[in-house]
Amino acid sequence: DIVLTQSPVTLSVSLGERVTLSCRASETISSNLAWYQQKLGQPPRLLIYDASARATGIPARFSGSGSGTDFTLTISSLQSDDFALYFCQQYHYWLTFGGGTKVEIK
Amino acid sequence: QVQLVQSGADVKKPGSSMKLSCKTSGGDFRNYGLSWVRQGPGQGLEWMGGIIPIFKTTMYAQKFKGRVTITADESTNTAYMEVTSLKFEDTAVYFCARGGGTDYKWFDSWGQGTSVTVAS
Repeated sequence: DIVLTQSPVTLSVSLGERVTLSCRASETISSNLAWYQQKLGQPPRLLIYDASARATGIPARFSGSGSGTDFTLTISSLQSDDFALYFCQQYHYWLTFGGGTKVEIK
Repeated sequence: QVQLVQSGADVKKPGSSMKLSCKTSGGDFRNYGLSWVRQGPGQGLEWMGGIIPIFKTTMYAQKFKGRVTITADESTNTAYMEVTSLKFEDTAVYFCARGGGTDYKWFDSWGQGTSVTVAS
């Protein structure tokens, strides 16, 4: 299985800050990566697919980058609605998810 | 806008089986892959398998092969997942999720989740 390692596990940030989340794959996955946001008691919400394409209705403050094994999700200016859990998922070979990064209030 | 509505929460005994449902509305059912993803208590997400109704093909994660069966009823736009020989560690929230096309890649629509507790 392709293992996705997300870092950090928890990130404490203030409103308006720029946030960078990392996802590293155990082998190359080209650009076959998606990012999701999940809030407590809700299903995940697709943010980014194909590493950098923003899903329908996702605000421009969310952006994705990377290819190969190293990927980044950036939130340019954190809003109150953005405190949540974030997962990456690869679909290069079967489908696996990272362990998640929790973005919490500082 | 497509909506996925799942069956309600359930409690099961170890060794028993469960069959979850996921009814889609407001969108194309046949031409999109429909997967099942679970999330254990305080844990991450795990893809279990999926079905592409138009091709009537299924795909299962190795871990679940032989214990999970996914089916689709095109007459009611409903997908089902049956899991047999339930174990305590199958306690989780189970989501159905629709992919972006006739394949298994990202998931742009999700059901609300079904909480399943396996307890004696």
